[in-house]
Amino acid sequence: EAQVTQNPRYLITVTGKKLTVTCSQNMNHEYMSWYRQDPGLGLRQIYYSMNVEVTDKGDVPEGYKVSRKEKRNFPLILESPSPNQTSLYFCASSQPTTISLNEQFFGPGTRLTVL
Amino acid sequence: RKEVEQDPGPFNVPEGATVAFNCTYSNSASQSFFWYRQDCRKEPKLLMSVYSSGNEDGRFTAQLNRASQYISLLIRDSKLSDSATYLCVVNVLNRDDKIIFGKGTRLHILP
Repeated sequence: EAQVTQNPRYLITVTGKKLTVTCSQNMNHEYMSWYRQDPGLGLRQIYYSMNVEVTDKGDVPEGYKVSRKEKRNFPLILESPSPNQTSLYFCASSQPTTISLNEQFFGPGTRLTVL
Repeated sequence: RKEVEQDPGPFNVPEGATVAFNCTYSNSASQSFFWYRQDCRKEPKLLMSVYSSGNEDGRFTAQLNRASQYISLLIRDSKLSDSATYLCVVNVLNRDDKIIFGKGTRLHILP
C-alpha cells in the first residue's frame, strides 16, 4: 500500500530535550516536505526537499533541522524544543512533473506537546 | 494581499443544498491548483486537481479563473459526510517550486 508513515504519532516532551520525528514514504517520490498546523494559522511549510541531499527552508524553519540521506526518509529534528513548537506536524511527499508538483500524500500527523 | 485567501467559514448548510467556496491567489505565476479535504485532526487528502478547463467529479465541480486569480469548488446535493475543512492549494512555478496552502474553509452539513 502506497503510504507516508510518521513516528511517533503522539509525543509529550520537555523544553530542551532533543527529539526526532521520522517520516518515510514508499512511493519513490522525489519531493518531501514538513508542515506544522496550528489553529488559525493553517498549514505552514517548515522544510522541503526536492531530492536526496537537497533541502530548503520553507516559511517557518527556525528551530528545526532536516536531512535527506535517502530518498524514502525525511526526518525532522528539533535540537532544543520549546513550547512554541507545540503543534500538529505533517510530513508529505509528491512526485514533481516537468512544470509543477503533483498531488501531495500526507502522513497521519504527529501531535507534539513541549512542556 | 495574502498569497492564498479563503473564507474561513464556518458554512452551515442543510443536507441536500448546494454550496460553493472561492479561493483567491495573488501570484500570477501560480501554475497548478488543488482542493484538499481535511477532517478534524486528520491529514489532508486530495479532493480534486483544478484544471484550466474546469473539472467535475460526481457532485464536485472545480473551476479556475486565471484572469481574476481565483479557484472555486462547488458541492451539489451535499451530504453529512461532506462536513470537513476544505483547503485550497496553489503551486507557484519558480526556482523553488513553492506550495502555498490556504487556511481552509470549514463546512458543516446540517441534518
